[in-house]
Amino acid sequence: AQSVTQLGSHVSVSEGALVLLRCNYSSSVPPYLFWYVQYPNQGLQLLLKYTSAATLVKGINGFEAEFKKSETSFHLTKPSAHMSDAAEYFCAVSVRGGNNRLAFGKGIQVVVIP
Amino acid sequence: AAGVIQSPRHLIKEKRETATLKCYPIPRHDTVYWYQQGPGQDPQFLISFYEKMQSDKGSIPDRFSAQQFSDYHSELNMSSLELGDSALYFCASSRSLAGVSYEQYFGPGTRLTVT
Repeated sequence: AQSVTQLGSHVSVSEGALVLLRCNYSSSVPPYLFWYVQYPNQGLQLLLKYTSAATLVKGINGFEAEFKKSETSFHLTKPSAHMSDAAEYFCAVSVRGGNNRLAFGKGIQVVVIP
Repeated sequence: AAGVIQSPRHLIKEKRETATLKCYPIPRHDTVYWYQQGPGQDPQFLISFYEKMQSDKGSIPDRFSAQQFSDYHSELNMSSLELGDSALYFCASSRSLAGVSYEQYFGPGTRLTVT
């Protein structure tokens, strides 16, 4: 079965600094990969997705992620953190040709320090 | 743009009671998914429906059932509620193209508290 691993539960970043959130996946078939953001007491909002087109994917709010098959990774980055980026971020995977269920990582809480 | 609608947003029930959660997908979306997110946990897939038929089943307790109706809305029925059922329940919807679904759009969730 497919899965993703997000190491750590919290990350603190200074406003204006680089945001880097790591995600590694495990899948026996080519995966679809997603990053979702969750603000307190809200639903999950799709940041970006990889579905086998370009390996560098650009999303909303200045985020981007790069699919690296050799490293089985799909790390999320943003060059300059903003206070509004404080939220929980989930990496998720689904299997091509499957029933599209998402398997989520444990999530990582981002704290932005002014 | 229209989003996924879930009702109610908050629900408080006692142990052994029943609860019904409703989900209205984005217009023209044909697939609905249900996820359960416990406190401090990642969302766990419960069940999904495509064109009103169950398409996939995850870690959904036997006490729970769900269906998708002709207007594509879905209901999750939960019986004999237990304290451990307290969680945020998300519905998501997606649209299939040539039989392939891509991104799922999530609703705001229903927070169920069992006392």
